[in-house]
Amino acid sequence: NAGVTQTPKFQVLKTGQSMTLQCAQDMNHNSMYWYRQDPGMGLRLIYYSASEGTTDKGEVPNGYNVSRLNKREFSLRLESAAPSQTSVYFCASNLRRGYGYTFGSGTRLTVV
Amino acid sequence: AQTVTQSQPEMSVQEAETVTLSCTYDTSENNYYLFWYKQPPSRQMILVIRQEAYKQQNATENRFSVNFQKAAKSFSLKISDSQLGDTAMYFCAFMKSFNAGGTSYGKLTFGQGTILTVHP
Repeated sequence: NAGVTQTPKFQVLKTGQSMTLQCAQDMNHNSMYWYRQDPGMGLRLIYYSASEGTTDKGEVPNGYNVSRLNKREFSLRLESAAPSQTSVYFCASNLRRGYGYTFGSGTRLTVV
Repeated sequence: AQTVTQSQPEMSVQEAETVTLSCTYDTSENNYYLFWYKQPPSRQMILVIRQEAYKQQNATENRFSVNFQKAAKSFSLKISDSQLGDTAMYFCAFMKSFNAGGTSYGKLTFGQGTILTVHP
C-alpha cells in the first residue's frame, strides 16, 4: 500500500537550475495537490489538479509549473530555481470533497 | 479567502495528562470541513480527525476529540492521556468544497501549526 510516492526526498540546487519533483498515487484519487511548507507559515497551496486533464493555480504559484500526466501522476517543475524556493514540498491527493488528503513524505529542497 | 489561525506556537504537557490545541477560522461558507493533521519529526503528514460543518456532534477518534463551535468559528483539538508519541507539530486545516466539470474536490487551507511536546 504505497499511497502517495514523492521523489526525490532531498535535493540541493544552484540558483538558476531547473528540476522536476515527481509525485504518483495508487489510490485512484481524482484530485492532486502541491504544497510548500515554510517555518511559521504552515502549508501553502502551489498548484492543484481537480481531475485528470485539469490544473489550476493555488496561493503561491509564481516560479512553478505543473503537469498532470495521467490520473496517477502530478509533477511540479521549477524552471529557474531561486533561494526563496528553499522549502519542504508535499504532494497530496484525495478522492473528492470532504475527504482528507493523503500526503507524500515530502521533498526537502535547498537552493543555494 | 479563508484564513486559519493557530494562536499557540508551542505547547507542552506531561505524559498521561490532557492538552487542548486551539484553532479559529474565518469563512463566509456554510458547508465546509475541518481537519487536524499531525506532523511528527519524520515529516509525514498524518490525518488525526475530521469534522463536517453540518454535523453538530463533535468528532472523536480514540484519545482525540474536537470542540467544534460553528458560530464562534472555533475548532479545538483535545488530546487525552497524552503519550510520548504524540510529540509533533499539529496543523488545523479548513476545506472549502468545489465542483468543476462534474468533479467535486476540496482545497485545504492550513494554520501555522502548534508544536506539542509531551514530557515523561
